[in-house]
Amino acid sequence: DIQMTQSPSSLSASVGDRVTITCRASQSISSYLNWYQQKPGKAPKLLIYAASSLQSGVPSRFSGSGSGTDFTLTISSLQPEDFATYYCQQSYSTLRRTFGQGTKLEIK
Amino acid sequence: EVQLVESGGGLVQPGGSLRLSCAASGFTFSSYSMNWVRQAPGKGLEWVSYISSSSSTIYYADSVKGRFTISRDNAKNSLYLQMNSLRAEDTAVYYCARDEEVERGGYYYYMDVWGKGTTVTVSS
Repeated sequence: DIQMTQSPSSLSASVGDRVTITCRASQSISSYLNWYQQKPGKAPKLLIYAASSLQSGVPSRFSGSGSGTDFTLTISSLQPEDFATYYCQQSYSTLRRTFGQGTKLEIK
Repeated sequence: EVQLVESGGGLVQPGGSLRLSCAASGFTFSSYSMNWVRQAPGKGLEWVSYISSSSSTIYYADSVKGRFTISRDNAKNSLYLQMNSLRAEDTAVYYCARDEEVERGGYYYYMDVWGKGTTVTVSS
């Protein structure tokens, strides 16, 4: 199975900060990488698909990059509503759609 | 409005069974593959199962293979998850999620619509 490892596991930042979250795959997954945001008690929300494509309706301060094994999610200027947990997920192996363990973004 | 609504969760004893349902509306259900994803209390997301639009292709996570069965009824716009031999570690919120695909030199898959989830608690 393809393992997805996110870093850091948690992160404290302030409104207006630029934040980067990293996701590493245990083998090359080309650009088959998606990012989701989840707030407490809510369902996950798709942010980025195919490593760098912004889902409709998602603010442009969110961006994704990377290919192969290393990927990043960047929030250019943190807003109060961005404090949440973020998950990467690979879709290279449709047999096993594994998620990363999550990165909790907290207010400093 | 595109919507997924899960139901069927509850409290069940270890070894028991439960059937989850997911009602779809606002889109052509029969055209989409679907997934179940779960989240144990205080833990991350775990993909559970996938079913193609025609039910011809089905996948399971190793943790549920042989115990859970995914199915769908396109005439009723509904997705199901039959859960047997339940264990304490199956305790989680279960989400259904629509599988979207985009072709860009290859097919990229992602879960673009999610339900609010239904809670399953396995405990004696």
